[in-house]
Amino acid sequence: NAGVTQTPKFQVLKTGQSMTLQCAQDMNHEYMSWYRQDPGMGLRLIHYSVGAGITDQGEVPNGYNVSRSTTEDFPLRLLSAAPSQTSVYFCASSSRTSEAFFGQGTRLTVV
Amino acid sequence: GNSVTQMEGPVTLSEEAFLTINCTYTATGYPSLFWYVQYPGEGLQLLLKATKADDKGSNKGFEATYRKETTSFHLEKGSVQVSDSAVYFCALIWADYKYIFGTGTRLKVLA
Repeated sequence: NAGVTQTPKFQVLKTGQSMTLQCAQDMNHEYMSWYRQDPGMGLRLIHYSVGAGITDQGEVPNGYNVSRSTTEDFPLRLLSAAPSQTSVYFCASSSRTSEAFFGQGTRLTVV
Repeated sequence: GNSVTQMEGPVTLSEEAFLTINCTYTATGYPSLFWYVQYPGEGLQLLLKATKADDKGSNKGFEATYRKETTSFHLEKGSVQVSDSAVYFCALIWADYKYIFGTGTRLKVLA
């Protein structure tokens, strides 16, 4: 039972590079979200999706794009990486009847 | 708007000590409340939850009671172990699937 799978676990980018963080869930959850975790700030919502084809912005969306072409996948794209995007990123999925399940996280460093 | 406030850490305790981590919330209506735990290098895992006033969530010796009158959901454990060392997050969800997290409290238990 895989749950929520995130890749990669670690990534170093140069300023201005782009990349995609992958997230997949196998629980048929309708809701998926991306958070970033920074020291002293807890988890902040970047983008979320309530179902395939539907996405919306969270608290800190600037510099990130998402898409939800399938129920299972919810990739997060960094368009032009900046040092301020150095963080730990978590993907989560949930349903109306379940709590949120989290991936293991991606530690991103932008130099 | 909705918000969660939890006590700042770090909290350092000796093994077998009593633990309390305070959490209060602001929300209209009646949110569901959660405690998540994050062990080093891992994602968040659900520790316990309560969905209505006066509910008590419990798991692994941890307990928290949904107190509507004080808008609180304090986490307690009677005797902590070294293996409880982790970061603990209080969270709420209301009306939709978006979670609001506290900033996290780091617990360190010394042998």
